[in-house]
Amino acid sequence: EADIYQTPRYLVIGTGKKITLECSQTMGHDKMYWYQQDPGMELHLIHYSYGVNSTEKGDLSSESTVSRIRTEHFPLTLESARPSHTSQYLCASSDSRGTGGSGANVLTFGAGSRLTVL
Amino acid sequence: AQTVTQSQPEMSVQEAETVTLSCTYDTSESNYYLFWYKQPPSRQMILVIRQEAYKQQNATENRFSVNFQKAAKSFSLKISDSQLGDTAMYFCAFMKQGAQKLVFGQGTRLTINP
Repeated sequence: EADIYQTPRYLVIGTGKKITLECSQTMGHDKMYWYQQDPGMELHLIHYSYGVNSTEKGDLSSESTVSRIRTEHFPLTLESARPSHTSQYLCASSDSRGTGGSGANVLTFGAGSRLTVL
Repeated sequence: AQTVTQSQPEMSVQEAETVTLSCTYDTSESNYYLFWYKQPPSRQMILVIRQEAYKQQNATENRFSVNFQKAAKSFSLKISDSQLGDTAMYFCAFMKQGAQKLVFGQGTRLTINP
């Protein structure tokens, strides 16, 4: 079992509400990521972090924000949810310090948070 | 920017058959990594197989193997003796060396029928 946890797994919320999707990993990985995935479709990187106090926007523009205050924790926040935010959000982590082997550059994914905004 | 293309949105085979999923990519990089990830229905994404671009030998993991053609920028996945548990979305992904960011293809929905 992967040691990366996302909560909530499912969330249905009304327009205008503030939501935070939690992501925690116990592997000590330095890099963490948020991907957005619409049903049956490809994943798009929306945020990533290379370490504590480091956050960057990904390839797909998103109104969400992230923070990385602790190595193991990478929450994603939407200040005012809208129906267009309805999607699945996948958190992942990786260890960039590996110098090779089968684990290098491999992302470990959480189970995902499926958000529905009414 | 790198792009990854999976031209087969859906595939369906009978149990125990062999199936090949296609993937092509576009990059100007010479050093990179390629991956196949599997996403079973309502379950988390897991790594199936990984290939370093500098290695000529095709990666294999039990029933899973790849056909890596660097010049053609092709990276297909072959699943031998397919099992019901192989039913999933399969994503091909690219990572530039040193980038630590994955770029995904559109995915192929594979169904293994009993």
